[in-house]
Amino acid sequence: EVQLVESGGGLVRPGGSLTLSCVASGFTFDGYAMHWVRQAPGKGLESVSVIRASGGTHYADSVKGRFTIARHNSQNTLFLQMNSLRIEDTAVYYCAKDAQDGYSARGGFDYWGHGAQVTVSS
Amino acid sequence: DIQMTQSPSTLSASVGERVTITCRASQSISRWLAWYQQKPGKAPKLLIYKASSLEGGVPPRFSGSGSGTEFTLTISSLQPDDFATYYCQQYISDLYSFGQGTKLEIK
Repeated sequence: EVQLVESGGGLVRPGGSLTLSCVASGFTFDGYAMHWVRQAPGKGLESVSVIRASGGTHYADSVKGRFTIARHNSQNTLFLQMNSLRIEDTAVYYCAKDAQDGYSARGGFDYWGHGAQVTVSS
Repeated sequence: DIQMTQSPSTLSASVGERVTITCRASQSISRWLAWYQQKPGKAPKLLIYKASSLEGGVPPRFSGSGSGTEFTLTISSLQPDDFATYYCQQYISDLYSFGQGTKLEIK
């Protein structure tokens, strides 16, 4: 059974830092791209960052230069380091597994974590 | 960046009705489109990928169609469990983007 379990959320002051973790199980972690998606209160879904199986990374313009995505394949763990946090970064942060495996035609995000609440407030 | 636009933003319908949600991409995405269902306080659930392929375990009353820039999600006969928010997502670019969502409400 595939599981994604996030941790590390919390309350932080503007300008502060936080690191989210996502521990994966039930699949070959190093074979898939992994994503962070956030959802601000009452709003829609926003892709924040992706790290490919190859290690390549991409970021939303809204977080570029402030957030860093990383993966430790030996620990089946995905990270999101968030620096210089702003009030508008307040959201539930989900880690999600990419469905594309390079063999089948599958796509999208087939598994999601339960989400980690990040609140940026003074 | 590829912008995804859904319509309508809110849809009121009754159990048993057939409903359609539209998603438009700002440029061609071929068939690299997914649909999700999200209920309050829960993570999204993948329903459809590659525009029309049903994810395992998803009831066949859900169907998707389209290619290029225009796509639709159809629910053939609404069930009480279907009232939720639906999102489309393109996955052709470096960072995948979502539509703004369509909230499906009970009439």
